[in-house]
Amino acid sequence: DAGVTQSPTHLIKTRGQQVTLRCSPKSGHDTVSWYQQALGQGPQFIFQYYEEEERQRGNFPDRFSGHQFPNYSSELNVNALLLGDSALYLCASSPSGAPNTGELFFGEGSRLTVL
Amino acid sequence: QKEVEQNSGPLSVPEGAIASLNCTYSDRGSQSFFWYRQYSGKSPELIMSIYSNGDKEDGRFTAQLNKASQYVSLLIRDSQPSDSATYLCAVNGGTYKYIFGTGTRLKVLA
Repeated sequence: DAGVTQSPTHLIKTRGQQVTLRCSPKSGHDTVSWYQQALGQGPQFIFQYYEEEERQRGNFPDRFSGHQFPNYSSELNVNALLLGDSALYLCASSPSGAPNTGELFFGEGSRLTVL
Repeated sequence: QKEVEQNSGPLSVPEGAIASLNCTYSDRGSQSFFWYRQYSGKSPELIMSIYSNGDKEDGRFTAQLNKASQYVSLLIRDSQPSDSATYLCAVNGGTYKYIFGTGTRLKVLA
């Protein structure tokens, strides 16, 4: 049973560029959440996708956008990259139903470095 | 005030001892509470969830929840060097967002 898979695992970009990160949820899960984890910090909620719609968004600017596809996979796009966007980007999947009582299954993350 | 607070540590305990990790939260409406373990360079892995006041035990791990005092704790008995990691407390208040603390770094000394 494949867990949550993310790609790429590492990438380096320069300021002002754009990046797309990809995530495939765990089998049987239809809900995908994205988190940003800066060095030495806990994960910060970016947004959650369910039924191809953004269901809730955290305190992130519009430069952060996403998409969910019919097969439940998801993309995170970040435009106009800033140095402060350097972080580990975590995708987490969960089954639908009660949204707040289940565990999150995390992928291994995409480590983004902005120079 | 941060929504979920943890002591960043490091918390150092000798092998075989009990490690006690604590977390406080600010939202009284929080309903679900989780402890995640994160090894350096890896993603968080759920080790315990707790939803009602009291203790919940799973092997060497015990989670404790006190909603009146707004704190959650994690006890690790018979600590092993392999338990050395950062432990993240996460709280969910009934929305789709989980709020994480900054984590406590645990070092188990052999």
